[in-house]
Amino acid sequence: SQTIHQWPATLVQPVGSPLSLECTVEGTSNPNLYWYRQAAGRGLQLLFYSVGIGQISSEVPQNLSASRPQDRQFILSSKKLLLSDSGFYLCAWSGGKTYNEQFFGPGTRLTVL
Amino acid sequence: QKEVEQDPGPLSVPEGAIVSLNCTYSNSAFQYFMWYRQYSRKGPELLMYTYSSGNKEDGRFTAQVDKSSKYISLFIRDSQPSDSATYLCAMKITDSWGKFQFGAGTQVVVTP
Repeated sequence: SQTIHQWPATLVQPVGSPLSLECTVEGTSNPNLYWYRQAAGRGLQLLFYSVGIGQISSEVPQNLSASRPQDRQFILSSKKLLLSDSGFYLCAWSGGKTYNEQFFGPGTRLTVL
Repeated sequence: QKEVEQDPGPLSVPEGAIVSLNCTYSNSAFQYFMWYRQYSRKGPELLMYTYSSGNKEDGRFTAQVDKSSKYISLFIRDSQPSDSATYLCAMKITDSWGKFQFGAGTQVVVTP
């Protein structure tokens, strides 16, 4: 069966510090990968999605970036965090027989102080 | 106007009642429809997936899609306190890679 991992689960960072969140998927190959941000009490905002290694599409202009160095690894980064980057970050995948179903990781709660 | 509209709630129901949730959408190209359940501080969990119009039942959950009205629904029968969560609808156009469009989620509270 497929599983998706995210780490860390919780992160508190000062303004201006760098960020690196990691997501890995097990049990499938060539998944579509997604990064979302969910602000408190709000819906999911798509940040990036990737259909293959090195292929990244950005949905929202911001100080975040994403990379996909391996087939099942997706990384969200920032060089300098802003207060507005606080939120709940979710990685998700779709693919295989289930391109029309999307599965989410446990999330990373980021607080920027 | 948002592509997918969903009442944020909260929707409070007594235990054992039927929970009725819905989403409306504006893009008639959507063909694939999903419902997710999200507990506080957790990632969303896929509950139901339906293609095109019609009904789908899975245990206490029933999903309905009315493409002519651009309206989808989720019903939860015999609701339990453990059903208290936020429910998000999602939809997609293509049968391949692509973006999922989510509603903002409805918070449901089932009281014992």
